[in-house]
Amino acid sequence: DAGVIQSPRHEVTEMGQEVTLRCKPISGHNSLFWYRQTMMRGLELLIYFNNNVPIDDSGMPEDRFSAKMPNASFSTLKIQPSEPRDSAVYFCASSPYREMNTEAFFGQGTRLTVV
Amino acid sequence: KQEVTQIPAALSVPEGENLVLNCSFTDSAIYNLQWFRQDPGKGLTSLLLIQSSQREQTSGRLNASLDKSSGRSTLYIAASQPGDSATYLCAVGGGGADGLTFGKGTHLIIQP
Repeated sequence: DAGVIQSPRHEVTEMGQEVTLRCKPISGHNSLFWYRQTMMRGLELLIYFNNNVPIDDSGMPEDRFSAKMPNASFSTLKIQPSEPRDSAVYFCASSPYREMNTEAFFGQGTRLTVV
Repeated sequence: KQEVTQIPAALSVPEGENLVLNCSFTDSAIYNLQWFRQDPGKGLTSLLLIQSSQREQTSGRLNASLDKSSGRSTLYIAASQPGDSATYLCAVGGGGADGLTFGKGTHLIIQP
């Protein structure tokens, strides 16, 4: 398997624009997670899905952030409108099943810069 | 709320030394603990996963231990090499949180 695939790898956008980040989890994994990494706060969980259903989105910072998982092989994280403070690296991760003590595998991340 | 602390924040040692990275967590009701490596500008590479019922895991020159009752884990790196230079992240699953709760990492530099 190619692992967790994220696109784009880098995104530069102007404040106020809509940004969509994409993730393809490892085939057969039932849980998908979106994290954000900043220098100040480190890695923080934004939202996670189990069997394509959002379970906990309490980490989503504002209503400007939304995430979807229309099927088992694809998820998106959308920011609308984007702001400079959203600049960070966004990681997607998947694992076989949440309730079992299973390993999480991370994508290479999307580095977002909002100017 | 689960909190994960890693000490030291940065470490620089000569090549060949054995070293220990420390991780502590506040809520001992965890499912597992995972150590990751992150190279500059790159993603996270999983190094070791320790289940809550286990005491340690080994992979090559790496050995991770877990003392759940005291809320501590250590990552031992034997015979360090310049290629080991990276940021090492500790993350715990469970402990009242969904997903993984990460420490801020230890930035390790191995001097040739």
